[in-house]
Amino acid sequence: GAGVSQSPSNKVTEKGKDVELRCDPISGHTALYWYRQSLGQGLEFLIYFQGNSAPDKSGLPSDRFSAERTGGSVSTLTIQRTQQEDSAVYLCASSLVGAGNSPLHFGNGTRLTVT
Amino acid sequence: QQQVKQSPQSLIVQKGGISIINCAYENTAFDYFPWYQQFPGKGPALLIAIRPDVSEKKEGRFTISFNKSAKQFSLHIMDSQPGDSATYFCAASKIQGAQKLVFGQGTRLTINP
Repeated sequence: GAGVSQSPSNKVTEKGKDVELRCDPISGHTALYWYRQSLGQGLEFLIYFQGNSAPDKSGLPSDRFSAERTGGSVSTLTIQRTQQEDSAVYLCASSLVGAGNSPLHFGNGTRLTVT
Repeated sequence: QQQVKQSPQSLIVQKGGISIINCAYENTAFDYFPWYQQFPGKGPALLIAIRPDVSEKKEGRFTISFNKSAKQFSLHIMDSQPGDSATYFCAASKIQGAQKLVFGQGTRLTINP
């Protein structure tokens, strides 16, 4: 079946602009995660959704970052007033349930470059 | 206390050899330890995972060894193949609640034919 789909695959934006990154999880997966992968920081947890609720937003680096999930499916990560340090690959993952050992399925990410 | 330290950063192994990647964690509350494999341009893919109540888990050519007292775990790839060339990440999390994985820094593995 289809895996986790992310769009766009690449995004180049100017400093100060807002960007929206989209994630389509595997159908039926109730848990959805956003992670960020950068050269300096490695892979970092950003936010976790169970259904449409986000019980854990502890990894969001600043209030410029927000995310929502609708219909228990698609999620959008929004970065406002982008900065150069936001340049990274943003990875979305989903799992069947929110349990901490439920296998995570990652998408191929959106590579964000802020110029 | 949330760190997971991974070594080596890079590793070159001859085809047919054994690849060994090591990780150490600090937080004793972690009770789920997965390994992920990542190819260029792709997202990480779950390879194998272990709970701390077992000392070893084997799936095909891949084996995790776990040492709870030392807070260390390692990935062994037997009969390494060129197709195994990828970046490998160890990770740790708590089973209770969300899967907030703490990742190691990654190991770039190259298998020479």
